[in-house]
Amino acid sequence: AQSVTQLGSHVSVSEGALVLLRCNYSSSVPPYLFWYVQYPNQGLQLLLKYTSAATLVKGINGFEAEFKKSETSFHLTKPSAHMSDAAEYFCAVSPNYGGSQGNLIFGKGTKLSVKP
Amino acid sequence: ETGVTQSPTHLIKTRGQQVTLRCSSQSGHNTVSWYQQALGQGPQFIFQYYREEENGRGNFPPRFSGLQFPNYSSELNVNALELDDSALYLCASSRRASGTDTQYFGPGTRLTVL
Repeated sequence: AQSVTQLGSHVSVSEGALVLLRCNYSSSVPPYLFWYVQYPNQGLQLLLKYTSAATLVKGINGFEAEFKKSETSFHLTKPSAHMSDAAEYFCAVSPNYGGSQGNLIFGKGTKLSVKP
Repeated sequence: ETGVTQSPTHLIKTRGQQVTLRCSSQSGHNTVSWYQQALGQGPQFIFQYYREEENGRGNFPPRFSGLQFPNYSSELNVNALELDDSALYLCASSRRASGTDTQYFGPGTRLTVL
C-alpha cells in the first residue's frame, strides 16, 4: 500500500527566501512521485515528477525536488520565493507497474504563504 | 493541444438527487481518472476508465459510477446524493503507453449538496 505524509499544513516564507515543503512517502513497490500545485478555485497543475531516472528532479517555475530512498522523502524546494508562488501544494505517489502508472495517492496538502 | 475540460463549473443539488459531471480528455489521451477533493483535503481517487471500461476503483460506494465514451470523454454519475458528497470533483486524463503516463487535471466541478 502507498501513502503520503506532508509535514506542515501551512508554511509561510518571506519573498526571496528559500521554500522547503516536506513530503514523506510509503510504498511497497518502486514509486512514481509527483508534486502538484493548486491555485484558489482551480484544478491541479503538475510541477514535477520522479520516475526512477535522476534523483534530483527539476520542474516548472524554478522548483525542484530530490528523491531520497533511504529517507523515503521527496521534499520540494525553490531557492527564492515569489509572491506568485502562494498556493496549495500536493505531494502524490503512484505505484510503478513496470513503467505504467497506477492511480495517484495524495497527501493532505501544504498551503504556502509568501510575505512581501 | 487542448487541455482537460470539465462541465459544469459549479452545481448545486439537494440531498437524494442524482448528478452527472462531464470531462473531455486532453488530445491524444485514452485514460480518464476521477478524484474527489473535499474542502481542506487532498484529492481521493474514485475510479479510472481505460478503453471504455473501469480499470481500478477507490473506496467509494456503488452509487458513484462512470462511463467512458469512444472519443475518450467521460462522465461521473452520483446517485442518492448525500451532504458529504459536497466537494470539488477533478478529472485527469493520461495516455497509457510504455513509460510514465502522467495525469493532467482539469479545472474541476464544484458540487454543493444542500
